[in-house]
Amino acid sequence: AQSVSQHNHHVILSEAASLELGCNYSYGGTVNLFWYVQYPGQHLQLLLKYFSGDPLVKGIKGFEAEFIKSKFSFNLRKPSVQWSDTAEYFCAVNPSLNYGGSQGNLIFGKGTKLSVKP
Amino acid sequence: EPEVTQTPSHQVTQMGQEVILRCVPISNHLYFYWYRQILGQKVEFLVSFYNNEISEKSEIFDDQFSVERPDGSNFTLKIRSTKLEDSAMYFCASRPWAGKNYEQYFGPGTRLTVT
Repeated sequence: AQSVSQHNHHVILSEAASLELGCNYSYGGTVNLFWYVQYPGQHLQLLLKYFSGDPLVKGIKGFEAEFIKSKFSFNLRKPSVQWSDTAEYFCAVNPSLNYGGSQGNLIFGKGTKLSVKP
Repeated sequence: EPEVTQTPSHQVTQMGQEVILRCVPISNHLYFYWYRQILGQKVEFLVSFYNNEISEKSEIFDDQFSVERPDGSNFTLKIRSTKLEDSAMYFCASRPWAGKNYEQYFGPGTRLTVT
């Protein structure tokens, strides 16, 4: 079965530290990849997405992610975090429709809680 | 910017009761979804809906669950006889088109507490 693994459950950083959150998926074909963020008390918001092309994708708020097909990974990065980045981050995968994927349902990882100390 | 809305924000119900969770997707969107997140666990897909019918459902979405788009704007999830293990955050999502490249827009969620 397809699955998404986020290895870090809770990450605590000081402001200005660099961030990298790991995401690995198990699916052999073409995938669409997403990172969503959930700020305290708010709904899931899309940070960035990868469909095809340049494997380094840039999202909102200075976040970026790199798709490494050989490692089945899509790690999220930010060079310098801020207190306002405190949130829970979810990696999600959808197999491409052209490769027998479903009608868009996302498979989520368990999420990584990021706490940034001011 | 258009948003997906959900009501109520919190629903408390007794075991065995029926509940209806409501969602208003973004108006020109075509695909609609329900997900749930049990406290401390990951977000799980329940069902997708397109062209007035279910297009896919997960193992979680058993006969106790149903979805409906009664009036062209609302999208509802009904749980016929709630169980304690149905307590979770339920998220509605929608996406705009049938092309292979898309993103889903999520609502704020309804927290369902079954006592």
